[in-house]
Amino acid sequence: GQNIDQPTEMTATEGAIVQINCTYQTSGFNGLFWYQQHAGEAPTFLSYNVLDGLEEKGRFSSFLSRSKGYSYLLLKELQMKDSASYLCAVRGGYSTLTFGKGTMLLVSP
Amino acid sequence: DSGVTQTPKHLITATGQRVTLRCSPRSGDLSVYWYQQSLDQGLQFLIHYYNGEERAKGNILERFSAQQFPDLHSELNLSSLELGDSALYFCASSEPANTGELFFGEGSRLTVL
Repeated sequence: GQNIDQPTEMTATEGAIVQINCTYQTSGFNGLFWYQQHAGEAPTFLSYNVLDGLEEKGRFSSFLSRSKGYSYLLLKELQMKDSASYLCAVRGGYSTLTFGKGTMLLVSP
Repeated sequence: DSGVTQTPKHLITATGQRVTLRCSPRSGDLSVYWYQQSLDQGLQFLIHYYNGEERAKGNILERFSAQQFPDLHSELNLSSLELGDSALYFCASSEPANTGELFFGEGSRLTVL
């Protein structure tokens, strides 16, 4: 089975940097994904890591350590529109993604 | 716009009833996934179809069933509805090369009264 843990809530200030952690225990691993979901809307893809290391994409970066079962999403220069839920998801032995419960990020002025 | 279309967007029904949710994947995508999202459970995987065949099953209740048709659209049937079935139901598709990225539809919000 799969077990994915991430903090329930985080708060940060506009312009700051925030790091959202995700730990996972899975039977089989074929990649880790981060999605952003605004309330009542569909999740949208942010990043994908399959090898150890850092992937950078504009203001967002994602890091993976497979040996530690650990990933983080780094958001820089926070904007009010970044207030959303951030979902960590793992692809196991097949193509199915298993999602964590999400981290609700609140960005304040 | 992800290119995945779901209907209806909202549905209100009573306990014991049956509903059908419909999903059209992105053009060219062969895989369709169904997920249920409730406030306390997060996104729960229900079932995956690939080119008309069931590929994987998650925590899908026996009262629920799904199929994917030759034109690749999919339907999720929910029967003998209970209050606890109230949730957002998302459909997602992924491309044939299967990087694993899922493209989600806007969801169908089901309310069971």
